[in-house]
Amino acid sequence: DIVMTQSPLSLPVTLGQPASISCRSDQSLVLSDGTIYLSWFQQRPGQSPRRLIYKVSNRDSGVPDRFSGSGSGSDFTLKISRVEAEDVGVYYCMQAAHWPDTFGQGTKLEIK
Amino acid sequence: EVQLVESGGTLVQPGGSLRLSCTTSGFSFSDHWMDWVRQAPGKGLELVGRIKLRAQNYITQYAASVKGRFTISRDDSKNSVYLQMNSLKTEDTALYYCADVGAPGDLWGQGTLVTVSS
Repeated sequence: DIVMTQSPLSLPVTLGQPASISCRSDQSLVLSDGTIYLSWFQQRPGQSPRRLIYKVSNRDSGVPDRFSGSGSGSDFTLKISRVEAEDVGVYYCMQAAHWPDTFGQGTKLEIK
Repeated sequence: EVQLVESGGTLVQPGGSLRLSCTTSGFSFSDHWMDWVRQAPGKGLELVGRIKLRAQNYITQYAASVKGRFTISRDDSKNSVYLQMNSLKTEDTALYYCADVGAPGDLWGQGTLVTVSS
């Protein structure tokens, strides 16, 4: 299985400040057609996960534009330009290039 | 309104069996691959298995940790997906979500808790 490694695992951030989460895979996620199935999910406390970003950098409908995704190959980043209180939760990256789809360990974002 | 409602979770002894159900509404169920994802208490997410579409002969795929013990099925006429779990182990204790992890929007249920303990 592809191993997804996130860092940091804990991310205390001051309101209004930026945040960045790294996600690395132990294999390239680039398919033969160039597609990269790398997604980011947010899980707020007590809630189910919801997808924020798909195919590295595409925001899902309704996701604030302060969230952005980037990366290539096996190295990816989720950035929040200005953290708001509602962003508290755990963030997971997930690859769907090779079965089984695998998630990172999760990064817990909290407000300082 | 999109809804996915899981049911069937309970306390079961090691070696026992359990069948989870997920009833959905508000979206075109038969057009979606359906996944079961689990989350052990305080832990991360693990994709347990997937069932594809009728046009794909309802192909199923499983994580190595459950292969041979778990079976996913679906009934498109009832907009429902099922997870049959046999030979349960204590490490199967988790909140089980039905979802389409590859879909836009919030195609996740709220989960049903399975506890495997003697």
